[in-house]
Amino acid sequence: EVQLVESGGGLVQPGGSLRLSCAASGFTFTSYAMTWVRQAPGKGLEWVSAISGLDVSRSYADSVKGRFTISRDNSENTVSLQMDSLRVEDTAIYFCATLSYVQFDYWGQGILVTVSP
Amino acid sequence: QSVLTQPPSVSAAPGQRVTISCSGSSSNIGSNYVSWYQQLPGTAPKLLIYDDNKRPSGIPGRFSGSKSGTSATLGITGLQTGDEADYYCGTWDTSLRAHVFGTGTKVTVL
Repeated sequence: EVQLVESGGGLVQPGGSLRLSCAASGFTFTSYAMTWVRQAPGKGLEWVSAISGLDVSRSYADSVKGRFTISRDNSENTVSLQMDSLRVEDTAIYFCATLSYVQFDYWGQGILVTVSP
Repeated sequence: QSVLTQPPSVSAAPGQRVTISCSGSSSNIGSNYVSWYQQLPGTAPKLLIYDDNKRPSGIPGRFSGSKSGTSATLGITGLQTGDEADYYCGTWDTSLRAHVFGTGTKVTVL
Protein backbone atom coordinates (compact mmCIF):
# COMPACT_ATOMS: atom_id res chain seq x y z
CA GLU A 1 0.00 0.00 0.00
CA VAL A 2 1.31 3.42 -0.99
CA GLN A 3 1.76 5.77 1.94
CA LEU A 4 2.87 9.39 1.94
CA VAL A 5 3.19 11.10 5.32
CA GLU A 6 3.97 14.81 5.58
CA SER A 7 5.56 16.47 8.58
CA GLY A 8 7.14 19.76 9.58
CA GLY A 9 4.21 22.15 9.29
CA GLY A 10 3.24 24.79 11.83
CA LEU A 11 3.02 28.49 12.58
CA VAL A 12 5.73 30.85 11.36
CA GLN A 13 6.06 34.61 11.08
CA PRO A 14 6.29 36.39 7.72
CA GLY A 15 9.85 36.28 6.46
CA GLY A 16 10.55 33.08 8.35
CA SER A 17 11.46 29.59 7.17
CA LEU A 18 10.00 26.12 7.46
CA ARG A 19 11.02 22.72 6.11
CA LEU A 20 8.41 20.17 5.14
CA SER A 21 9.19 16.49 4.75
CA CYS A 22 7.29 13.63 3.16
CA ALA A 23 8.07 10.00 3.99
CA ALA A 24 7.12 7.56 1.24
CA SER A 25 6.55 3.81 1.36
CA GLY A 26 4.84 1.04 -0.57
CA PHE A 27 6.33 1.74 -4.00
CA THR A 28 9.66 2.02 -5.81
CA PHE A 29 10.52 5.56 -4.81
CA THR A 30 13.01 6.33 -7.58
CA SER A 31 10.45 5.38 -10.23
CA TYR A 32 8.32 8.39 -9.42
CA ALA A 33 8.73 12.10 -9.67
CA MET A 34 7.49 13.73 -6.48
CA THR A 35 5.59 16.96 -6.11
CA TRP A 36 4.07 19.39 -3.63
CA VAL A 37 0.61 20.85 -4.11
CA ARG A 38 -0.99 23.36 -1.75
CA GLN A 39 -4.48 24.49 -0.92
CA ALA A 40 -5.16 27.80 0.80
CA PRO A 41 -8.08 27.81 3.26
CA GLY A 42 -11.34 27.48 1.32
CA LYS A 43 -9.54 27.70 -2.03
CA GLY A 44 -8.56 25.40 -4.88
CA LEU A 45 -5.44 23.38 -5.60
CA GLU A 46 -2.17 25.03 -6.60
CA TRP A 47 0.88 23.13 -7.83
CA VAL A 48 4.04 24.26 -6.00
CA SER A 49 7.07 22.21 -7.06
CA ALA A 50 8.23 18.92 -8.57
CA ILE A 51 11.41 16.84 -8.63
CA SER A 52 12.22 13.95 -10.97
CA GLY A 53 12.88 10.42 -9.74
CA LEU A 54 16.67 10.66 -9.94
CA ASP A 55 16.78 14.39 -9.15
CA VAL A 56 17.76 15.30 -12.70
CA SER A 57 15.23 18.12 -12.86
CA ARG A 58 13.38 20.39 -10.46
CA SER A 59 10.59 22.81 -11.25
CA TYR A 60 8.68 25.49 -9.37
CA ALA A 61 5.56 27.58 -9.67
CA ASP A 62 6.32 31.25 -10.31
CA SER A 63 4.71 32.14 -6.97
CA VAL A 64 7.44 30.30 -5.02
CA LYS A 65 10.43 30.42 -7.38
CA GLY A 66 13.54 31.69 -5.61
CA ARG A 67 12.01 31.15 -2.16
CA PHE A 68 11.25 27.41 -2.03
CA THR A 69 13.65 24.52 -2.70
CA ILE A 70 12.58 20.94 -3.32
CA SER A 71 14.92 18.01 -2.68
CA ARG A 72 14.77 14.26 -2.22
CA ASP A 73 16.77 11.57 -0.46
CA ASN A 74 16.39 8.34 -2.40
CA SER A 75 18.22 6.37 0.29
CA GLU A 76 15.61 7.41 2.86
CA ASN A 77 12.57 7.59 0.53
CA THR A 78 11.84 11.15 1.52
CA VAL A 79 11.11 14.39 -0.31
CA SER A 80 11.46 17.79 1.31
CA LEU A 81 10.38 21.35 0.68
CA GLN A 82 12.53 24.11 2.17
CA MET A 83 10.40 27.24 2.39
CA ASP A 84 12.19 30.55 2.97
CA SER A 85 10.99 34.17 2.99
CA LEU A 86 7.50 32.97 3.81
CA ARG A 87 4.56 35.26 3.14
CA VAL A 88 1.05 35.39 4.57
CA GLU A 89 -0.24 34.15 1.20
CA ASP A 90 1.79 30.94 1.59
CA THR A 91 -0.66 29.85 4.30
CA ALA A 92 -2.14 26.57 3.10
CA ILE A 93 -2.37 22.84 3.52
CA TYR A 94 0.62 21.34 1.70
CA PHE A 95 0.17 17.95 0.08
CA CYS A 96 2.95 15.64 -1.03
CA ALA A 97 2.05 13.56 -4.10
CA THR A 98 3.57 11.20 -6.62
CA LEU A 99 3.72 12.47 -10.19
CA SER A 100 3.42 10.33 -13.31
CA TYR A 101 3.89 12.52 -16.37
CA VAL A 102 0.98 14.91 -15.80
CA GLN A 103 -1.17 13.19 -13.18
CA PHE A 104 -0.83 13.09 -9.42
CA ASP A 105 -1.40 9.44 -8.57
CA TYR A 106 -1.11 9.23 -4.79
CA TRP A 107 -1.48 11.94 -2.18
CA GLY A 108 -0.48 12.37 1.44
CA GLN A 109 -2.98 13.59 4.03
CA GLY A 110 -1.54 17.10 3.98
CA ILE A 111 0.13 19.35 6.54
CA LEU A 112 -0.92 22.85 7.56
CA VAL A 113 1.44 25.79 7.23
CA THR A 114 0.29 29.06 8.76
CA VAL A 115 2.21 32.28 8.12
CA SER A 116 1.02 35.00 10.47
CA PRO A 117 2.50 37.90 12.44
CA GLN B 1 -5.91 32.87 -11.17
CA SER B 2 -6.47 29.39 -12.63
CA VAL B 3 -6.13 28.88 -16.38
CA LEU B 4 -8.69 26.06 -16.34
CA THR B 5 -12.32 27.05 -15.81
CA GLN B 6 -14.95 24.83 -14.16
CA PRO B 7 -18.50 25.60 -13.05
CA PRO B 8 -18.59 26.42 -9.33
CA SER B 9 -21.29 23.87 -8.59
CA VAL B 10 -23.52 21.18 -10.07
CA SER B 11 -26.30 19.19 -8.43
CA ALA B 12 -28.64 16.31 -9.14
CA ALA B 13 -30.79 13.76 -7.37
CA PRO B 14 -29.50 10.34 -6.33
CA GLY B 15 -29.23 7.99 -9.28
CA GLN B 16 -29.01 10.78 -11.81
CA ARG B 17 -26.07 11.83 -13.99
CA VAL B 18 -23.96 14.97 -13.74
CA THR B 19 -21.26 16.33 -15.98
CA ILE B 20 -18.50 18.76 -15.05
CA SER B 21 -16.77 20.79 -17.73
CA CYS B 22 -13.18 22.01 -17.72
CA SER B 23 -12.30 24.69 -20.25
CA GLY B 24 -8.73 25.54 -21.16
CA SER B 25 -6.63 26.45 -24.16
CA SER B 26 -4.33 25.03 -26.82
CA SER B 27 -1.33 25.26 -24.48
CA ASN B 28 -2.85 23.06 -21.81
CA ILE B 29 -5.90 20.83 -22.47
CA GLY B 30 -5.44 21.14 -26.21
CA SER B 31 -2.00 19.55 -26.15
CA ASN B 32 -1.71 17.51 -22.95
CA TYR B 33 -3.55 14.77 -21.10
CA VAL B 34 -6.20 15.75 -18.56
CA SER B 35 -6.71 14.18 -15.14
CA TRP B 36 -9.54 14.54 -12.64
CA TYR B 37 -9.47 14.52 -8.84
CA GLN B 38 -12.11 14.03 -6.18
CA GLN B 39 -11.70 15.76 -2.82
CA LEU B 40 -14.13 14.62 -0.16
CA PRO B 41 -14.67 17.10 2.69
CA GLY B 42 -11.64 17.35 4.95
CA THR B 43 -9.55 14.86 2.98
CA ALA B 44 -6.76 14.84 0.41
CA PRO B 45 -7.57 14.78 -3.30
CA LYS B 46 -7.80 11.39 -5.01
CA LEU B 47 -7.05 10.57 -8.64
CA LEU B 48 -10.26 9.63 -10.51
CA ILE B 49 -9.33 9.86 -14.18
CA TYR B 50 -5.98 10.13 -15.99
CA ASP B 51 -4.89 10.34 -19.63
CA ASP B 52 -8.24 12.00 -20.44
CA ASN B 53 -10.39 8.90 -19.93
CA LYS B 54 -8.59 6.13 -18.02
CA ARG B 55 -9.62 5.03 -14.55
CA PRO B 56 -7.09 3.89 -11.93
CA SER B 57 -7.67 0.53 -10.33
CA GLY B 58 -10.51 0.71 -7.83
CA ILE B 59 -12.35 3.65 -9.38
CA PRO B 60 -15.93 2.64 -10.32
CA GLY B 61 -17.08 2.73 -13.90
CA ARG B 62 -19.67 5.36 -12.89
CA PHE B 63 -16.89 7.90 -13.37
CA SER B 64 -15.84 8.70 -16.93
CA GLY B 65 -13.72 11.29 -18.69
CA SER B 66 -13.67 12.72 -22.18
CA LYS B 67 -11.92 15.49 -24.08
CA SER B 68 -12.60 17.50 -27.20
CA GLY B 69 -10.30 20.25 -28.39
CA THR B 70 -9.56 22.56 -25.48
CA SER B 71 -12.28 21.25 -23.16
CA ALA B 72 -12.62 18.17 -20.99
CA THR B 73 -15.59 16.66 -19.21
CA LEU B 74 -16.04 14.45 -16.17
CA GLY B 75 -19.22 12.40 -16.02
CA ILE B 76 -20.71 10.75 -12.96
CA THR B 77 -23.64 8.37 -13.42
CA GLY B 78 -25.78 6.73 -10.75
CA LEU B 79 -25.06 9.62 -8.40
CA GLN B 80 -24.65 8.64 -4.74
CA THR B 81 -24.58 10.71 -1.55
CA GLY B 82 -20.96 9.61 -1.13
CA ASP B 83 -20.12 11.46 -4.35
CA GLU B 84 -20.64 14.83 -2.65
CA ALA B 85 -17.23 16.40 -2.98
CA ASP B 86 -15.15 18.97 -4.80
CA TYR B 87 -13.83 17.90 -8.21
CA TYR B 88 -10.79 19.34 -9.96
CA CYS B 89 -9.38 18.91 -13.45
CA GLY B 90 -5.64 19.16 -14.01
CA THR B 91 -3.05 19.12 -16.76
CA TRP B 92 0.31 20.51 -17.84
CA ASP B 93 0.51 23.93 -19.44
CA THR B 94 3.22 23.97 -22.09
CA SER B 95 3.43 27.78 -22.25
CA LEU B 96 3.50 28.33 -18.49
CA ARG B 97 5.71 25.26 -17.98
CA ALA B 98 3.61 24.47 -14.95
CA HIS B 99 1.05 21.97 -13.74
CA VAL B 100 -2.34 23.66 -13.59
CA PHE B 101 -5.63 22.83 -11.92
CA GLY B 102 -9.18 23.87 -12.61
CA THR B 103 -11.14 26.22 -10.36
CA GLY B 104 -12.99 23.29 -8.82
CA THR B 105 -16.63 22.18 -8.86
CA LYS B 106 -18.73 21.27 -5.85
CA VAL B 107 -21.11 18.38 -6.50
CA THR B 108 -24.25 18.31 -4.38
CA VAL B 109 -26.61 15.35 -4.24
CA LEU B 110 -30.13 16.68 -3.72
